Amino acid sequence: QKEVEQNSGPLSVPEGAIASLNCTYSDRGSQSFFWYRQYSGKSPELIMFIYSNGDKEDGRFTAQLNKASQYVSLLIRDSQPSDSATYLCAVNEGGADGLTFGKGTHLIIQP
Amino acid sequence: EAGVAQSPRYKIIEKRQSVAFWCNPISGHATLYWYQQILGQGPKLLIQFQNNGVVDDSQLPKDRFSAERLKGVDSTLKIQPAKLEDSAVYLCASSLDSRARYGYTFGSGTRLTVV
Repeated sequence: QKEVEQNSGPLSVPEGAIASLNCTYSDRGSQSFFWYRQYSGKSPELIMFIYSNGDKEDGRFTAQLNKASQYVSLLIRDSQPSDSATYLCAVNEGGADGLTFGKGTHLIIQP
Repeated sequence: EAGVAQSPRYKIIEKRQSVAFWCNPISGHATLYWYQQILGQGPKLLIQFQNNGVVDDSQLPKDRFSAERLKGVDSTLKIQPAKLEDSAVYLCASSLDSRARYGYTFGSGTRLTVV
């Protein structure tokens, strides 16, 4: 059974600092990796995806992938209070199956 | 483009009653997913449709849950009879293709409370 593991937190980070969110996955065949942000009472919103080993940057967000270690992370630079949310990691084998989600990490940015 | 539409937003029912949720995906999206998200957990895939055919329903409790996607567009998820542990948010999502290479878009969800 595919598993995606995340530390549930809460992870507390001061405003302006870098928030680092981590995720490990069990299926070595996973090809696509996603980070979703979910505010309380709202549905998940896609913020980044990554397919290849290395880093992918988009504004204040950087996704990092290491397939050998089965590890994917999300860095948020210059953290803002509006970044406070639950961040969900999701993986996909690249075939016709749906995304498998972790339980999410609750991030709190302290003003 | 319009997003994924879901209704109702909230539903409260008594255990052993039945309930149905409706989803209209983004226009042109062939793949539709129903997820269940219990409070404090990540979304769990219940069923995936490709057009009007089922691709994966391995985690759907088929003794009480059913889903259909007639004409390959709208979809309905039904629970009959409901149990207390079915209290959750039911999320519908759609993607352009079954590989979901760019992830997919979720609707606003239906929050079900079973009392």
